Amino acid sequence: GDSVTQMEGPVTLSEEAFLTINCTYTATGYPSLFWYVQYPGEGLQLLLKATKADDKGSNKGFEATYRKETTSFHLEKGSVQVSDSAVYFCALSDRNTGGFKTIFGAGTRLFVKA
Amino acid sequence: GAVVSQHPSRVICKSGTSVKIECRSLDFQATTMFWYRQFPKQSLMLMATSNEGSKATYEQGVEKDKFLINHASLTLSTLTVTSAHPEDSSFYICSATFMGGNTEAFFGQGTRLTVV
Repeated sequence: GDSVTQMEGPVTLSEEAFLTINCTYTATGYPSLFWYVQYPGEGLQLLLKATKADDKGSNKGFEATYRKETTSFHLEKGSVQVSDSAVYFCALSDRNTGGFKTIFGAGTRLFVKA
Repeated sequence: GAVVSQHPSRVICKSGTSVKIECRSLDFQATTMFWYRQFPKQSLMLMATSNEGSKATYEQGVEKDKFLINHASLTLSTLTVTSAHPEDSSFYICSATFMGGNTEAFFGQGTRLTVV
């Protein structure tokens, strides 16, 4: 079945450092890919998405490119801030998974130090 | 944008009682709703998928009689945790999709359930 694998955390960075969180997926169809962010004690927020190969999703300085050839959707940010400290989930949604259910990776916790 | 509202955001209940969590789509008709459970510091695990007017489809390992799901209208789905026990304490999140939409689901704010 469909699955998402993302790098284990926690990831600890200093402010203004470059961030990469790796994400790869397995899917039988042509999924849409997402990054969600969850701040402590809160629900999920959609950070960015890409619906087809070579699409680049971007938001708040974060970017991720849908790479079909490597089945990847790595999250990047050029300069992180303390306020970016949160848990980041890579996810996919596929028409073939029955009603577009979303499948999540394990999540990567990011700590940004001042 | 599409908004999904979940209520309550937090609930504390006594062991043995039942708790109902509501998930509403505020500005669209949700043909399919999903219920997830999240343990501390873990990912979201899909519990069940519900389509309006039909029985929910539960994921393997999820007790149907323990977690009752009702999707009686196109804007409301409920999850009832029956005879709750401390091990049911968790963060529960719903999401919804709509006919003709793309593959993006819209998530509620989540409900933190604590069973004492």
